Parts: sequence; C-alpha cells; structure tokens
Amino acid sequence: GAGVSQSPSNKVTEKGKDVELRCDPISGHTALYWYRQSLGQGLEFLIYFQGNSAPDKSGLPSDRFSAERTGGSVSTLTIQRTQQEDSAVYLCASSLARGQETQYFGPGTRLLVL
Amino acid sequence: GENVEQHPSTLSVQEGDSAVIKCTYSDSASNYFPWYKQELGKGPQLIIDIRSNVGEKKDQRIAVTLNKTAKHFSLHITETQPEDSAVYFCAASSTGKLIFGQGTTLQVKP
Repeated sequence: GAGVSQSPSNKVTEKGKDVELRCDPISGHTALYWYRQSLGQGLEFLIYFQGNSAPDKSGLPSDRFSAERTGGSVSTLTIQRTQQEDSAVYLCASSLARGQETQYFGPGTRLLVL
Repeated sequence: GENVEQHPSTLSVQEGDSAVIKCTYSDSASNYFPWYKQELGKGPQLIIDIRSNVGEKKDQRIAVTLNKTAKHFSLHITETQPEDSAVYFCAASSTGKLIFGQGTTLQVKP
C-alpha cells in the first residue's frame, strides 16, 4: 500500500520567508510525527499528533515553528521568518497509535534557506 | 533530559564479516527500541525493533540485544553485504516520540 508521502521534496527559500511542508500519513494511522535531520546529524523530534488529543509540541525549537493536522489525516509544518539554521531535512512519520507502534517515515523535505 | 548515545560513528568491514553497533540510553522508562537504516536521499526504514520484555530478537542476518539493567542495546549484522552500506540509527521511546542516536555510517567493502 501507499506509504507516507511528503511535499515538496525540495524547497529553497530566502531568509525571512515563510514555508509550509506537507505530510500525508499512511491511511488509518492515528499518530503522526515530525522530526528534523540537520546535515550529518541524527533525527530531532519536533511534534506529534495522536487522534484528537492535544499535540505534544515539546520539541519545537522556537515559536516560529508550528504544525497542524486537519481532519486527523494530513499535517502541515509551518516555519515563519525562516533562518539559515532552519536548513535541514524535515521528516514525517506515522504509526497506528502512539506508543510502541512502528513509525513509518516519509522521504522527507529538504529545506535550504539562503 | 532524554539522551541516546551511539557508537561507533563510522564502521568499515569486509564483505562477509560481522558488524556491531552499540547504543546506550538515559531514560529508564524507555520500553521500545527500534533500529532504522537510512540510504542517501531517503527516509529512515525500520529494520528491526525490540520491546523491553524481550532480551534478544533475530531476523535472518540481523539481531538486536537489550540489557535493561545497563540501559544498553546493540545491533548485530552477520555476513555483511555491500548493500548493507548505509547509515544506521538506534532510537529509544517511552512516550511514543523517538529519541535517536547520532547514527553510524557502515561501509561494507566488496
């Protein structure tokens, strides 16, 4: 079946502009996660959604970052007033439920802030 | 805070040899430990995972061991092949979000 999809695959933007990154989880998965992977680094947790519960935003690095999940499916990660240090690969994952369920990752969006 | 340490950062082996990657975690409440393989330009792909009620798990050439007392878990790849070359990440979880190690770049020389 279809896996996690993300768009765009690549995004180049100028410092100070806003960007929106989209994630389509696997159908039926109630949990959705965003991670960030900087060049040559491990993955850093940003935020996750579980059903209708309040999202866990504890990993968001600043108030310029926000995310929404509409209708319990598609999610959008928004970065306002982008900075060069925001350049990274943004990865989305989904799982059947929160907890010890396998997280399946999308291919990521490669963001470059000039 | 929660932390996962992974070693080594790079590992080069000859085809057919074994490879071992080790991780330690700080959160004693962690109860789920997946391993991911990431190829260049792709998202991480789960290769094996283990839960805290199990000490060892094997899937063909891949095995994972867990020592909860020492807060330590390891990935073992036997009979390595060139297509095993990739970056491998360990992770630990207690609440659903994954805390990742820094990754190990494995190179398998033909």
